[in-house]
Amino acid sequence: SAVISQKPSRDICQRGTSLTIQCQVDSQVTMMFWYRQQPGQSLTLIATANQGSEATYESGFVIDKFPISRPNLTFSTLTVSNMSPEDSSIYLCSVVTGQSHEQYFGPGTRLTVT
Amino acid sequence: AQSVSQHNHHVILSEAASLELGCNYSYGGTVNLFWYVQYPGQHLQLLLKYFSGDPLVKGIKGFEAEFIKSKFSFNLRKPSVQWSDTAEYFCAVGFTGGGNKLTFGTGTQLKVEL
Repeated sequence: SAVISQKPSRDICQRGTSLTIQCQVDSQVTMMFWYRQQPGQSLTLIATANQGSEATYESGFVIDKFPISRPNLTFSTLTVSNMSPEDSSIYLCSVVTGQSHEQYFGPGTRLTVT
Repeated sequence: AQSVSQHNHHVILSEAASLELGCNYSYGGTVNLFWYVQYPGQHLQLLLKYFSGDPLVKGIKGFEAEFIKSKFSFNLRKPSVQWSDTAEYFCAVGFTGGGNKLTFGTGTQLKVEL
């Protein structure tokens, strides 16, 4: 398994601003992902964070809105840009370690946009 | 597109009752199957997983799940629930060629009453 931390744990932001969420893992991991969990809904994959290259985005998500960095094998950031109230969600980082298909999730960042 | 459905959105049981939560997916190829649990105020935890082999898998805390390929199902079961099992349960499926990306069901909120 892996120990995953996210910062901040929660934030309240004004519309039009941007927030960067950090994800730190205690060991090197094969893959890192970013998910969104909107109120009352399930988890939706935003993108795969690729180490040293551009993230791979899922349908409906674009780099201009959700820029992602992954400078090394233990750290990634997700920025939510030009926020609107519709961006109010829990944002979760997840990782896959080694050759396992098991995916572990961070504690999430609860974002409220006013 | 691949999809995952959980038919029970809210389940209320008394302690010692038996539990079965349904999960179905739409995809004809090879899948990896997971159940995650989210206890109140905590982050997602892996409950159990199926990759291959015996279709009956056992997880933590007395939970088990059975993969029935012909029914595209991966139902979660527990013979006797406890109050501490109150949580939200998510079924998730990784599809062949998906690179460990997971598609989640909508979740089932389980409440166990004393």
